[in-house]
Amino acid sequence: EAAVTQSPRNKVAVTGGKVTLSCNQTNNHNNMYWYRQDTGHGLRLIHYSYGAGSTEKGDIPDGYKASRPSQENFSLILELATPSQTSVYFCASGDRGFEQYFGPGTRLTVL
Amino acid sequence: GDSVTQTEGPVTVSESESLIINCTYSATSIAYPNLFWYVRYPGEGLQLLLKVITAGQKGSSRGFEATYNKETTSFHLQKASVQESDSAVYYCALVNYNQGKLIFGQGTKLSIKP
Repeated sequence: EAAVTQSPRNKVAVTGGKVTLSCNQTNNHNNMYWYRQDTGHGLRLIHYSYGAGSTEKGDIPDGYKASRPSQENFSLILELATPSQTSVYFCASGDRGFEQYFGPGTRLTVL
Repeated sequence: GDSVTQTEGPVTVSESESLIINCTYSATSIAYPNLFWYVRYPGEGLQLLLKVITAGQKGSSRGFEATYNKETTSFHLQKASVQESDSAVYYCALVNYNQGKLIFGQGTKLSIKP
């Protein structure tokens, strides 16, 4: 059974609209992460969390918010989506210093 | 800051041929970071292929090997004989201990010719 799940798997949004990407993990890991993956850039960290109620800015946080209401759930929020946010988004869970476990990804297209 | 550089893709190799994907790193948060290779198969998320946490050690999985070389700050991925099922994107990564996050290389897309 998949330990990190993401929803939706695919999303088409309009410019200026609000988008929420959801992530759930059953690994009981304290840390969770949101990345985006674009050709030529590898994975870039957007936001991360050390536990319920905490969110931290990653390397490219502009235009994104995050929410961690519980140990299991971590959301990425685009309040005003732009075409430059078209990408594949990955959620991951892990513990400090160890490997991370990734979800299957969400393909977001902003028109 | 920390960084990882790997072979520019895409890379195409014929089935049963050997493979090497280069990875070099620069780490400022710690002298000897944990090093990882992740793989992303088409339509799936990233999964850990192998990891090495001790300099000088070799990790192996599914026929792939990588040796942690602290002198050359490298962690090249090798396989003696590739299969069509190895077609995927491969990512080298290290851990930034200060922030508990992974630093990824840009990824190398590998295609295997049957």
